[in-house]
Amino acid sequence: DQQVKQNSPSLSVQEGRISILNCDYTNSMFDYFLWYKKYPAEGPTFLISISSIKDKNEDGRFTVFLNKSAKHLSLHIVPSQPGDSAVYFCAASAGQSSSNTGKLIFGQGTTLQVKP
Amino acid sequence: EAGVTQSPTHLIKTRGQQATLRCSPISGHTSVYWYQQALGLGLQFLLWYDEGEERNRGNFPPRFSGRQFPNYSSELNVNALELEDSALYLCASSLGQTGPNQPQHFGDGTRLSIL
Repeated sequence: DQQVKQNSPSLSVQEGRISILNCDYTNSMFDYFLWYKKYPAEGPTFLISISSIKDKNEDGRFTVFLNKSAKHLSLHIVPSQPGDSAVYFCAASAGQSSSNTGKLIFGQGTTLQVKP
Repeated sequence: EAGVTQSPTHLIKTRGQQATLRCSPISGHTSVYWYQQALGLGLQFLLWYDEGEERNRGNFPPRFSGRQFPNYSSELNVNALELEDSALYLCASSLGQTGPNQPQHFGDGTRLSIL
């Protein structure tokens, strides 16, 4: 049972345009969501997170939106740069009261290519 | 500030052997997590240690075990290695989980190959 899904394996955008990466989840106990970027031969790098009490969090070019009713989150990158080309993972965690405590459940990743 | 460091970078073992992977967390972080990324699969949670105690483990057999030392560094031990244990093993650290949600920060991993 895949609790966190990234249905688009890849995305290609033009430099300067907006990149939108999507993620869906099924477990209503998730209360904290994160986005990571991963380059080949490196570990995932934390980008941005959002608590379930918010619906938007912004950090520079990166904005994460959370729609709890739809169990959907998205990462917007504006403007996109060639250096943003990487695999992006969304992840979710639950609070202290569940068997998911402390662990991140990852999606399968979306490969973003930003073309110059 | 140094990030999460893992050693060794690569490890080659044969079936039935034992492997030990090491992780040093970011200074000030008390929680350490281990994940497995097998070829073609996503990151799967293995273990979580906080303040020297195992707090949670994923759906892995008991031959996957570990410990956390007083300086918060951690070891992952895999006994009786099997071919399907070949994977990238990632360690992450965070501030303790007793307060507000904290992001986990990852090292670059140990590539374990079983021959």
